[in-house]
Amino acid sequence: NAGVTQTPKFRILKIGQSMTLQCTQDMNHNYMYWYRQDPGMGLKLIYYSVGAGITDKGEVPNGYNVSRSTTEDFPLRLELAAPSQTSVYFCASSYSDRGATEAFFGQGTRLTVV
Amino acid sequence: DAKTTQPTSMDCAEGRAANLPCNHSTISGNEYVYWYRQIHSQGPQYIIHGLKNNETNEMASLIITEDRKSSTLILPHATLRDTAVYYCIVSDLYSGGGADGLTFGKGTHLIIQP
Repeated sequence: NAGVTQTPKFRILKIGQSMTLQCTQDMNHNYMYWYRQDPGMGLKLIYYSVGAGITDKGEVPNGYNVSRSTTEDFPLRLELAAPSQTSVYFCASSYSDRGATEAFFGQGTRLTVV
Repeated sequence: DAKTTQPTSMDCAEGRAANLPCNHSTISGNEYVYWYRQIHSQGPQYIIHGLKNNETNEMASLIITEDRKSSTLILPHATLRDTAVYYCIVSDLYSGGGADGLTFGKGTHLIIQP
């Protein structure tokens, strides 16, 4: 049981390049999330998904896209990288029907755009 | 806007109880109080949550005031490994780590002193 796995752990992109951050979970969780964390700040929600085929915007979605074709995977796509997207990205998942639940986080992807 | 207010930083001696306060004066009746922590450069880790009653698990205790406007996370015997940023989060019953994710503020940086 690996939990939430993110790849890559580190990446340097040039301005204008594109990339996909991978996230997979093996807990059969229906909810998945992408957050970004800038230095000294809390996490901000980029996108989330309540199940396969369903995604929605969070607080800071501009410049990103997501898809959820399976329960396990929730990739985050950066189409035209900008320096403002330099951040640490965390993927998380939770099982949520109704009531309180805990979210499990991956170890993060540290992205630098130069 | 953050729904919670926490001190920016706190110190605690190793082996002593660490008491982390959180104000959430605008909490509504169906909102849970969650605590997560983030050890340097890692993904956030769930600690505990509660609605009205005090809660205890293997990691910590959560004390919620009767009016639910504030709470205290207690680490009973702090160790150096408990040095981390601790986030107090309020979230409603049907998202609770679910549909709209968790809103992270800046948290409290707890430093355990040897």
